[in-house]
Amino acid sequence: QVQLVESGGGLVKPGGSLRLSCEASAFTFSDFYMSWIRQAPGKGPEYISFISNSGDTTKYSASVKGRFTISRDNAKKSLYLQMDSLRPEDTAFYYCARFYGGNSWFFDLWGRGTLVTVSS
Amino acid sequence: DIQMTQSPSTLSASVGDRVTITCRASRDIIRWLAWYQQKPGKAPKLLMYEASKLESGVPSRFSGSGSGTEFTLTISSLQPDDFATYYCQQYDSYSYTFGQGTKLEIK
Repeated sequence: QVQLVESGGGLVKPGGSLRLSCEASAFTFSDFYMSWIRQAPGKGPEYISFISNSGDTTKYSASVKGRFTISRDNAKKSLYLQMDSLRPEDTAFYYCARFYGGNSWFFDLWGRGTLVTVSS
Repeated sequence: DIQMTQSPSTLSASVGDRVTITCRASRDIIRWLAWYQQKPGKAPKLLMYEASKLESGVPSRFSGSGSGTEFTLTISSLQPDDFATYYCQQYDSYSYTFGQGTKLEIK
């Protein structure tokens, strides 16, 4: 069925790195802009990055700019998030999400999330 | 960035009640607002977009209204499956900010 499945989360020390992956199924991945959204425990979601369908445009929130890198491989139907210089405040569930499409910048499909914990 | 403020933070209600959740934007976002439902341990699920358009498959007891800076999500007759946390999200600007959430609890 149509779904997104994240992987790669875990426990990492402050200053460390982690790479998240998200694999898409049952839809034409290359047609859609994609995003990473995170949610700290007990908080609302926070958009952190998006990438265009071709991969030539990326944007980041101020909280992760310069530390995180979003990328995609349309042949593998996969989205990635390289996270460097991790901080305790980066601890959260990380979701990949699909933009609805056209000029509509809301999220109509989410993965189940992967937990990233940054702690010494 | 546009700030989104939801009220109340927690709402206690009973099955069959009509409930309304409010979301306010820090500046005019026209009608570029979405609502999501999230249950514990699950990802958010899209309910509504463009303030009042119902996502496919969402029950018609859910409705949305508003424009500019003030928006509401109404559930006309609460069902047991509706007890969850609800979030609004603006998509007028690249910051795509979410509200802090409204937890709907069983009274």
